[in-house]
Amino acid sequence: GAGVSQTPSNKVTEKGKYVELRCDPISGHTALYWYRQSLGQGPEFLIYFQGTGAADDSGLPNDRFFAVRPEGSVSTLKIQRTERGDSAVYLCASSSGLAGVETQYFGPGTRLLVL
Amino acid sequence: GNSVTQMEGPVTLSEEAFLTINCTYTATGYPSLFWYVQYPGEGLQLLLKATKADDKGSNKGFEATYRKETTSFHLEKGSVQVSDSAVYFCALRGMDTGGFKTIFGAGTRLFVKA
Repeated sequence: GAGVSQTPSNKVTEKGKYVELRCDPISGHTALYWYRQSLGQGPEFLIYFQGTGAADDSGLPNDRFFAVRPEGSVSTLKIQRTERGDSAVYLCASSSGLAGVETQYFGPGTRLLVL
Repeated sequence: GNSVTQMEGPVTLSEEAFLTINCTYTATGYPSLFWYVQYPGEGLQLLLKATKADDKGSNKGFEATYRKETTSFHLEKGSVQVSDSAVYFCALRGMDTGGFKTIFGAGTRLFVKA
């Protein structure tokens, strides 16, 4: 497809479990971002990749959260020992990689519910 | 740090009414400013942007002007339609953080009645 895709669209898990969320960026986009959107709030930055490397991971809330992008395309956000407070919509975006003004294209998000 | 504050919603208007959604920001230097829109059941989409002071972004009848003196980027539309019902997010991207991290406001939900 032409846009950013994310799988799964919905994920329900139990407290303490491990989850992986996947993002397929637009082909050729070197920059990839993860955001978290809690109910009634704006998206909150988590991490940004330029190619395979995490250029800025200052938004990851704690060491239970980790993201990879091993081949510079698909990215996986991994959450260990999930907590109820992790419930949110996780958004992925990609862009061409030029700083400042380039458009970030967002995927539809993965809605995570931790019971 | 950088931040964005926008008016709380929901905002309810009748069709063809004038819309203003206020947005102010705090940032060092000269950030780029954005408005994003999230229609029901859809992902975030860029609505318009402005990259320097006094720039006006416009799209689909919406406008916003980058006002550095008041650190504001208010969204306006002269005549809203039912199809404009959505959540609107003001956002900035500051060069002090490399120009990639986008900081979003909390969003303003707009309902337009026929």
